[in-house]
Amino acid sequence: AQSVTQLGSHVSVSEGALVLLRCNYSSSVPPYLFWYVQYPNQGLQLLLKYTTGATLVKGINGFEAEFKKSETSFHLTKPSAHMSDAAEYFCAVIRSGNTPLVFGKGTRLSVIA
Amino acid sequence: GAGVSQSPSNKVTEKGKDVELRCDPISGHTALYWYRQSLGQGLEFLIYFQGNSAPDKSGLPSDRFSAERTGGSVSTLTIQRTQQEDSAVYLCASSLAGGKLLAKNIQYFGAGTRLSVL
Repeated sequence: AQSVTQLGSHVSVSEGALVLLRCNYSSSVPPYLFWYVQYPNQGLQLLLKYTTGATLVKGINGFEAEFKKSETSFHLTKPSAHMSDAAEYFCAVIRSGNTPLVFGKGTRLSVIA
Repeated sequence: GAGVSQSPSNKVTEKGKDVELRCDPISGHTALYWYRQSLGQGLEFLIYFQGNSAPDKSGLPSDRFSAERTGGSVSTLTIQRTQQEDSAVYLCASSLAGGKLLAKNIQYFGAGTRLSVL
C-alpha cells in the first residue's frame, strides 16, 4: 500500500527566507508524485508533479521539488518566501494514471513579514 | 465553465437529515473523483467514476454514502441520515482520461462543499 508522510504540520518562515516542506513516500512500485496547494476556502491547485525523467521538477510560483529514490523523498522548496505563499500544502502519490491520489496530512505554511 | 464546479459551497444540516452534494466536472473530462477533507483524517478518497465503468466505491466510509454520475458528466454525492462525524469539506476532482497515461490524468479540483452537521 502506498502512503505519504509530511514532516511538520505547520512550518513558519520569514518573508524572503527559504521554504522547505518535507515529503516522504512509501510505495512498492515507482510512484508518480505531486504537490498541491490549497488557499483558504479554495480547492487544491497543482503545484508540480514528478512522473519520469528529470528528478528536479519545477512548478508554478517559483516552487520546485526533487525526487530522490534512494531517500524516498520529494521535498518542496522555494528560495525566497512571499507572503502570498501562505497556504496548506499537500504531497500526494499515485501508482498509475487511473487510481485515486493518496495524500499526506498536509503542511500549513505561514510567512512572517 | 473553465473549472470543476461544486454546489452548494456551504451546507448546514441537522443530524439525521439527508444531503446531496453536486459536482460539475470540466467539460470533456471522463474521470471524476470524490474526496473528503476533515480535521482528523486529512484528505481521503471516497469514490471514483470512469466513463461507463462500474465506479470504484472502495473509499466510501459507510452504506449511508452513495454517489451517482448521470450522463457521464454531473455527479451527486448523497449522505443519508447524516451524523456529526460527516462534517467535513467534500472535494470533487476530474481528469481528462482514466487510462494509464498519467499526462492525461492530472486531477483538477473544485472549491469543495463545506458540510456542517449540527
